[in-house]
Amino acid sequence: QKEVEQDPGPLSVPEGAIVSLNCTYSNSAFQYFMWYRQYSRKGPELLMYTYSSGNKEDGRFTAQVDKSSKYISLFIRDSQPSDSATYLCATVNDYKLSFGAGTTVTVRA
Amino acid sequence: DVKVTQSSRYLVKRTGEKVFLECVQDMDHENMFWYRQDPGLGLRLIYFSYDVKMKEKGDIPEGYSVSREKKERFSLILESASTNQTSMYLCASGTGTAFLEQFFGPGTRLTVL
Repeated sequence: QKEVEQDPGPLSVPEGAIVSLNCTYSNSAFQYFMWYRQYSRKGPELLMYTYSSGNKEDGRFTAQVDKSSKYISLFIRDSQPSDSATYLCATVNDYKLSFGAGTTVTVRA
Repeated sequence: DVKVTQSSRYLVKRTGEKVFLECVQDMDHENMFWYRQDPGLGLRLIYFSYDVKMKEKGDIPEGYSVSREKKERFSLILESASTNQTSMYLCASGTGTAFLEQFFGPGTRLTVL
């Protein structure tokens, strides 16, 4: 079983819509959860991370962790064409990052 | 700004060739990583290094080796390239015990014919 499973997408939304991205993880001991963003022909970059359960907000981005259901979510409000990218969830396991497969998002102008 | 550079953006090699992928970081990071990225599989860790001359196997080390002779440079070696090693290879670096934030290079698209 993969440590992190991610909804495969792709996702296409109109500008201004809310984007919802989801992952599940297998090990209840995981504590840190990250979201990376990867633009086309670039390496991933850390968008935000959360520790344990709850929400974290950064501008238009909100990361949410529900430890009871082992669910990780990222919401993008008022989406912009510049948000078009692949989003990867990740968690830390034994000092290694385990990534989901990524969801490609296209925001249509 | 942290910069991680990789020696080539695109590389085409033949089956059986020895292939070297080079990665250099300029932020004095202790930790360096090599991943491969394939559609539907995401990023998978091949090897990582937490210090010069130190290395640890990741999830898919078979067919690969690494070398870290200097802190800023981490090399991935394919001893005898095979077609199933056609992939995007990403190098990353990070600092300290917080493996949360890793800084990635732009990737090398390797095609093995």
